[in-house]
Amino acid sequence: AQKITQTQPGMFVQEKEAVTLDCTYDTSDQSYGLFWYKQPSSGEMIFLIYQGSYDEQNATEGRYSLNFQKARKSANLVISASQLGDSAMYFCAMRRSNQGGKLIFGQGTELSVKP
Amino acid sequence: DADVTQTPRNRITKTGKRIMLECSQTKGHDRMYWYRQDPGLGLRLIYYSFDVKDINKGEISDGYSVSRQAQAKFSLSLESAIPNQTALYFCATSDRDTSTDTQYFGPGTRLTVL
Repeated sequence: AQKITQTQPGMFVQEKEAVTLDCTYDTSDQSYGLFWYKQPSSGEMIFLIYQGSYDEQNATEGRYSLNFQKARKSANLVISASQLGDSAMYFCAMRRSNQGGKLIFGQGTELSVKP
Repeated sequence: DADVTQTPRNRITKTGKRIMLECSQTKGHDRMYWYRQDPGLGLRLIYYSFDVKDINKGEISDGYSVSRQAQAKFSLSLESAIPNQTALYFCATSDRDTSTDTQYFGPGTRLTVL
């Protein structure tokens, strides 16, 4: 069965430092997509970044990058130069390409940025 | 204006009541989804619809039903609410014509069943 694992329930980072949030996934599919979402305390889910299983380059979006290691089945989110506004829950999710748009989510990591 | 809206944003109801959560989108997307979020469990898919005539059950559809009234509207109903349906409910949309099929979420509806 497909599964997403986020092993860090909570993390702290100093403002302006970089932080890596871990995500591992389990699938036997060759084609799939990986996503990261941010959920601030206000509750909304904000799309951050996407990585396709066939993409050779790691995805980047501004201060966000995705460290994709296909053989290890990991898709870690790297946030550079952390800001206080980055304090939130972060969810990793996977979509199997043969199952349309359905997402499977991990349990999330709560990131706290210290001033 | 928000691209994906959900009404109501908060709702308190009693066990046994019928309740409907509504979702509307102006993104022009064909695919719509309903998820539920419980503390410590991430989001789980309840129902999804790839177009107006297509409705599919997700991981946890028991106790729920949906209606796709138009491309832009997708409603979730709890026929007889029970306390363990207390959760944060999200609607999401995506566009099948994009390579990523990224889902964009509404602001959520916080439902409490007493």
